[in-house]
Amino acid sequence: EVQLVESGGGLVQPGRSMKLSCAASGFTFSNYGMAWVRQAPTKGLEWVAIISYDGSSTYYRDSVKGRFTISRDNAKSTLYLQMNSLRSEDTATYYCTRLAMMVLITSNWFAYWGQGTLVTVSS
Amino acid sequence: DIQMTQSPPSLSASLGDKVTVTCQASQNINKYIAWYQQKPGKAPRLLIRYTSTLESGTPSRFSGSGSGRDYSFSISNVESEDIASYYCLQFDNLPDTFGAGTKLELK
Repeated sequence: EVQLVESGGGLVQPGRSMKLSCAASGFTFSNYGMAWVRQAPTKGLEWVAIISYDGSSTYYRDSVKGRFTISRDNAKSTLYLQMNSLRSEDTATYYCTRLAMMVLITSNWFAYWGQGTLVTVSS
Repeated sequence: DIQMTQSPPSLSASLGDKVTVTCQASQNINKYIAWYQQKPGKAPRLLIRYTSTLESGTPSRFSGSGSGRDYSFSISNVESEDIASYYCLQFDNLPDTFGAGTKLELK
């Protein structure tokens, strides 16, 4: 059974940093692209960043480029999101997701989701 | 970025009704659309991929159709467990983009 368990969320002041982790199990982590999707309170879903199966390719939404870094450790089956210079508009539940098909990160959809971790950016 | 215009923002239905949600893309997305269900406090759940292919475990009362820029998602015979929000996702081009969501409520 595919399991994705996020951790690292909490309350952080504007301008500070936070690192999210996602522990994966139940599948061969190194075969799949992974992504972070967020949802602000009472709002819709928003793709944040995506990384290829081997970490060689990454893409970000414009509003987080230069501030967020997605990475992975295939030996530990763990996905990360390093978030710097946090803003109030980054307040959201962050979901770790696994893409449906092996290898590809384009033309591929979010098949599995973690339970999410809430990040609150506030002074 | 491809924009996904989802409508309506909310729906009110009675048990047993048929409801339909639409998503229009800002350009042709080649049937690369998925539909998700999200209940309050829970993660989204994938229901349909590639416009009309039901995921394992998705009840047959759910369906999807469309092509080009225009897509729809329907629930026939709405049941109480279907009360949730529904989102479309285009995955034809990065960045993948979601519709704004449709909240289904009981009349």
